Amino acid sequence: GAVVSQHPSWVICKSGTSVKIECRSLDFQATTMFWYRQFPKQSLMLMATSNEGSKATYEQGVEKDKFLINHASLTLSTLTVTSAHPEDSSFYICSARGGLAGVNEQYFGPGTRLTVT
Amino acid sequence: AQSVSQHNHHVILSEAASLELGCNYSYGGTVNLFWYVQYPGQHLQLLLKYFSGDPLVKGIKGFEAEFIKSKFSFNLRKPSVQWSDTAEYFCAVGGVDYKLSFGAGTTVTVRA
Repeated sequence: GAVVSQHPSWVICKSGTSVKIECRSLDFQATTMFWYRQFPKQSLMLMATSNEGSKATYEQGVEKDKFLINHASLTLSTLTVTSAHPEDSSFYICSARGGLAGVNEQYFGPGTRLTVT
Repeated sequence: AQSVSQHNHHVILSEAASLELGCNYSYGGTVNLFWYVQYPGQHLQLLLKYFSGDPLVKGIKGFEAEFIKSKFSFNLRKPSVQWSDTAEYFCAVGGVDYKLSFGAGTTVTVRA
């Protein structure tokens, strides 16, 4: 149980286009979903917190107009990178809070590798 | 704001050696502490967690960690590593808002 999926697993897009990444909790309802960004050989940095039916809360320094988050249901959150540029190339990881372990634990998705050319 | 410091960037050791990875955190309130592992090409997996109670926590795959409140530390240990323990290890701290702050990570390479 407590499986989180992401789609796509990797994507290449041209500069100026937008890319949508989906995060799904497959076997539990997620109270909250989180979006992280991971640069090569570096740690995960929290970008935003997403609660179903409400606006996402963004961390300081994260452009909310560039990284649009929609939490449509208790099992789906999407991250849209708008007008992507090469500096947005990164590994994007989502996590979901909830499941059998309770509200204090997060389950992580496999990540999405974004390359902007 | 909470922050996490991991002492070692890269650790190289031989099979059967003992492993200890340091983690220190700063946070003003009640914390939840975690160790995650990321095997090559795989997603983050939870090794163990501490919320309250016994400060010595046992996790999966023979790992354990000790929470020392006075030292703001949550060090990870394994008495005897295997080649399959080669991975990236992340310490994380969470507060009442459930947000996680991660340390920079430690790359562990186990030589057969």
